[in-house]
Amino acid sequence: QQQVKQSPQSLIVQKGGISIINCAYENTAFDYFPWYQQFPGKGPALLIAIRPDVSEKKEGRFTISFNKSAKQFSLHIMDSQPGDSATYFCAASANTGNQFYFGTGTSLTVIP
Amino acid sequence: DAGVIQSPRHEVTEMGQEVTLRCKPISGHNSLFWYRQTMMRGLELLIYFNNNVPIDDSGMPEDRFSAKMPNASFSTLKIQPSEPRDSAVYFCASSFWTRNTIYFGEGSWLTVV
Repeated sequence: QQQVKQSPQSLIVQKGGISIINCAYENTAFDYFPWYQQFPGKGPALLIAIRPDVSEKKEGRFTISFNKSAKQFSLHIMDSQPGDSATYFCAASANTGNQFYFGTGTSLTVIP
Repeated sequence: DAGVIQSPRHEVTEMGQEVTLRCKPISGHNSLFWYRQTMMRGLELLIYFNNNVPIDDSGMPEDRFSAKMPNASFSTLKIQPSEPRDSAVYFCASSFWTRNTIYFGEGSWLTVV
């Protein structure tokens, strides 16, 4: 059973547009939500992360929006660039556990 | 500073053969994870270690899979015998404690024919 559900599976955005990737979870014990970025042939790398005590976190063009009541969080990439083309994974972990649960990934393509 | 180092980067083997994947975590990290990535299932945690001790191996798909961490700087994931459905990218990752940022290696691309 997928602990974290991610959508869409793939996304195509024009350069300069906004890319939005969504994730949902059920386990209310989750309290840390990172996003990882993976380029072809490479391992995933931490992009940005949020804890549920805030509803939004922004780092440059990347923003996480978090809705605790809906148990949903999303990644927004503003002014998307071709260099942002990669696979993005959301993840979640609980203080009571010792592992991260990853979403199935979103393949983002930004076309010039 | 060296990241997580995995070897081999690519391996093609015949069904039934033994496959051994190797990992050197980042120096000072005390948690190590083995993940498998496929198109169908995404990133799956196979097993993780804390201080060289296996903590949770519930993700190991079958008895054909085994993992060891004999010391803080080395881990192996072994598949014996290998099957075509084991074809995937296997990632090793490490962190300083399990709840901190985990750092992935570049993966071992396994093809079983």
